[in-house]
Amino acid sequence: NAGVTQTPKFQVLKTGQSMTLQCAQDMNHNSMYWYRQDPGMGLRLIYYSASEGTTDKGEVPNGYNVSRLNKREFSLRLESAAPSQTSVYFCASSLDRAGYEQYFGPGTRLTVT
Amino acid sequence: AQTVTQSQPEMSVQEAETVTLSCTYDTSESDYYLFWYKQPPSRQMILVIRQEAYKQQNATENRFSVNFQKAAKSFSLKISDSQLGDAAMYFCDSDTGFQKLVFGTGTRLLVSP
Repeated sequence: NAGVTQTPKFQVLKTGQSMTLQCAQDMNHNSMYWYRQDPGMGLRLIYYSASEGTTDKGEVPNGYNVSRLNKREFSLRLESAAPSQTSVYFCASSLDRAGYEQYFGPGTRLTVT
Repeated sequence: AQTVTQSQPEMSVQEAETVTLSCTYDTSESDYYLFWYKQPPSRQMILVIRQEAYKQQNATENRFSVNFQKAAKSFSLKISDSQLGDAAMYFCDSDTGFQKLVFGTGTRLLVSP
């Protein structure tokens, strides 16, 4: 039982490049989330998927797109990376949308130069 | 809009002592959930404790307990008998299920021998 896994762990991009962050969970959870964590800002929700087939914007969705590929997988895409997107990205999942504990992945440290 | 405020960027405690981390929140919902998460230097976030707003009884998990004051919209975390392994960032989280999840900016807890 791996919980929530994220790939890659580290990534360096040049401005304008694109990439996809992958997330998978093996807990049969309905809801999945993408956050970014910046110093002094805590965690900010980028997008979430309350259930398979649905996605919704969070607090900071600009510059990102997501795909809920199936119940297990939820990917985050940066179409044209910008230095402002340098951050640590966390994926999380929970049994359902409201009131359930979130299980977090180990994070991806992304640097955009 | 929902907000969560952690006014203590950093707190220090000695081993075996007790420390309280503060969190205030603002929501227009009557039913919601509150969480404290711990993020050790390894970066993986884990749940510390969860409180359901409709329950008047304060949640307790071993050495961790909360002081939930619904009228004051306050949700503080008390750590008793502090241990070196408690050193981490602690984040308060508010979840209504209908509004976007909101985390506080975090409190860094330092534990000295």
